[in-house]
Amino acid sequence: KAGVTQTPRYLIKTRGQQVTLSCSPISGHRSVSWYQQTPGQGLQFLFEYFSETQRNKGNFPGRFSGRQFSNSRSEMNVSTLELGDSALYLCASSLNGAGGWGYGYTFGSGTRLTVV
Amino acid sequence: SQQGEEDPQALSIQEGENATMNCSYKTSINNLQWYRQNSGRGLVHLILIRSNEREKHSGRLRVTLDTSKKSSSLLITASRAADTASYFCATRETSGSRLTFGEGTQLTVNP
Repeated sequence: KAGVTQTPRYLIKTRGQQVTLSCSPISGHRSVSWYQQTPGQGLQFLFEYFSETQRNKGNFPGRFSGRQFSNSRSEMNVSTLELGDSALYLCASSLNGAGGWGYGYTFGSGTRLTVV
Repeated sequence: SQQGEEDPQALSIQEGENATMNCSYKTSINNLQWYRQNSGRGLVHLILIRSNEREKHSGRLRVTLDTSKKSSSLLITASRAADTASYFCATRETSGSRLTFGEGTQLTVNP
């Protein structure tokens, strides 16, 4: 079956602009989580959506938001971009978001965002 | 914030040798997972160990978990050049579904 698809792969934006990233999870998976990866802070949890509801949220400002559609596809939006938002944004898909007792998360290849 | 610390931060070995990476964490966990990342790409799930398990094997991978010391180790046996990557441990806490990642170990396997 197809893996987790993130689009676009690369993005360059200017400070102050806004950006929308997309994630299509594995078919049948209802949970989508988003992570930000930077050299300085490592992998940081942004939020998790399950059945169109935000179930968990990390410590990021309100400029970071997301949503999930009825087909489980998810988008995250960052408004008023800052230089520090430059990062690799990764999306992870799982059946129920719990990781289960025997299942890990399946990650997409990420979207590399550069803010100039 | 990072849940745990991994050591070493970097490890360089020769093909055929074993590689051991360690991970420590701070809170009570439901499970601990190890992931591999090749050069800025997505993370690949390697193995998951539950909080009530002490050791798990998968192919050339062996993971141990010591919940009393809040630590885990990942052993890769008979390493190959293709194992060159960054390795991350991630914990899922007893409440909630988020994963909290360690800082990662950069493994280089020289042919």
